[in-house]
Amino acid sequence: DAKTTQPTSMDCAEGRAANLPCNHSTISGNEYVYWYRQIHSQGPQYIIHGLKNNETNEMASLIITEDRKSSTLILPHATLRDTAVYYCIVRVKGGGADGLTFGKGTHLIIQP
Amino acid sequence: GAGVSQSPSNKVTEKGKDVELRCDPISGHTALYWYRQSLGQGLEFLIYFQGNSAPDKSGLPSDRFSAERTGGSVSTLTIQRTQQEDSAVYLCASSPHPWGMNTEAFFGQGTRLTVV
Repeated sequence: DAKTTQPTSMDCAEGRAANLPCNHSTISGNEYVYWYRQIHSQGPQYIIHGLKNNETNEMASLIITEDRKSSTLILPHATLRDTAVYYCIVRVKGGGADGLTFGKGTHLIIQP
Repeated sequence: GAGVSQSPSNKVTEKGKDVELRCDPISGHTALYWYRQSLGQGLEFLIYFQGNSAPDKSGLPSDRFSAERTGGSVSTLTIQRTQQEDSAVYLCASSPHPWGMNTEAFFGQGTRLTVV
């Protein structure tokens, strides 16, 4: 079973910020939130991860709520090439294979 | 540096035949993962190797599936007596430490297996 909940699909206009939500209400204190994306016919690509502080890199920003039960991935200026399925993953146990399941993700469609 | 490499990129096989899928992880990565992705579905975890420890096989769907990792590097996923429902993209990923401990996993481009 996936440990996260994401909307099935979202649309965003090109040039706008895309905000992708994820609920992970069962997250434990030492577990990270990871975001990956998968462009059609390619392997998943790492985007960003965080523990409790907000994070930013060249691709995106990650906002994690204070209670850590949800997060939002922000693509600040979406382009057509950002159309992909975005996966939010939480490692519910350190090491091991638990929590390595991806859900179905959010299909983000960037509209021209 | 080189990423995770998988071969072949595409494989068509007849029902009942055995197939071997290969994964070359990033050099030095101790953790290796196999996933399966059926059309329109999310990624299904299959098996996880960490260093010299016994692999976690909890995701393998049946005893027709097996995997090895030789010398802590290259891994081979073997599917015996293939069935049509085995048709999927098989993805391999590696990470320098157990994924989730503040380190990310890197994925290969996958092997698209079609059983006819």
